[in-house]
Amino acid sequence: DAKTTQPTSMDCAEGRAANLPCNHSTISGNEYVYWYRQIHSQGPQYIIHGLKNNETNEMASLIITEDRKSSTLILPHATLRDTAVYYCIVRVATGSNYQLIWGAGTKLIIKP
Amino acid sequence: EAEVAQSPRYKITEKSQAVAFWCDPISGHATLYWYRQILGQGPELLVQFQDESVVDDSQLPKDRFSAERLKGVDSTLKIQPAELGDSAMYLCASSRDRGSGYTFGSGTRLTVV
Repeated sequence: DAKTTQPTSMDCAEGRAANLPCNHSTISGNEYVYWYRQIHSQGPQYIIHGLKNNETNEMASLIITEDRKSSTLILPHATLRDTAVYYCIVRVATGSNYQLIWGAGTKLIIKP
Repeated sequence: EAEVAQSPRYKITEKSQAVAFWCDPISGHATLYWYRQILGQGPELLVQFQDESVVDDSQLPKDRFSAERLKGVDSTLKIQPAELGDSAMYLCASSRDRGSGYTFGSGTRLTVV
């Protein structure tokens, strides 16, 4: 079962910041939060991941609350090409292995 | 930029027929994953390899699905016989090791008629 809860869909105006929320209230202390996105008919694309601290890269920023029960992915200046399904994922340890537990994601539509 | 190669891109097959998908991971990536994605849902892990060994196939329907990675490089996923419910996107991903981020291929869209 998915360990994350996301809105089914969101809209954002082109050029504005897109803020995608994710709830992961049952996350354990050593489980990472990953974000991927999937543009129609393509494979998922890695965006960013984090454990406790906020993270930033060339694509996005990840803000994780202090209690780690939720996080927000921020696309600072959304473009039409950012229209995609965004998945918030928890990476769980299973023995000596790791597994990404995927939910249904948020469909983000960037509007001109 | 290095990519995960998958073929074919699209496949239409009749039910009860056999079908196979191929994946070539990024060079040097020891861990390889096969996922199935039903339309409107997130990907579901089918099987995970570490080099040539299977480390997780708990979600693989073993009565009809098989996967191999004989030399620890490229991999094949087979379905025999295909059923209508197998229609989905089959995604391959690879990572440098079990704890690293994944790179996905473009997938194979399977339609069983």
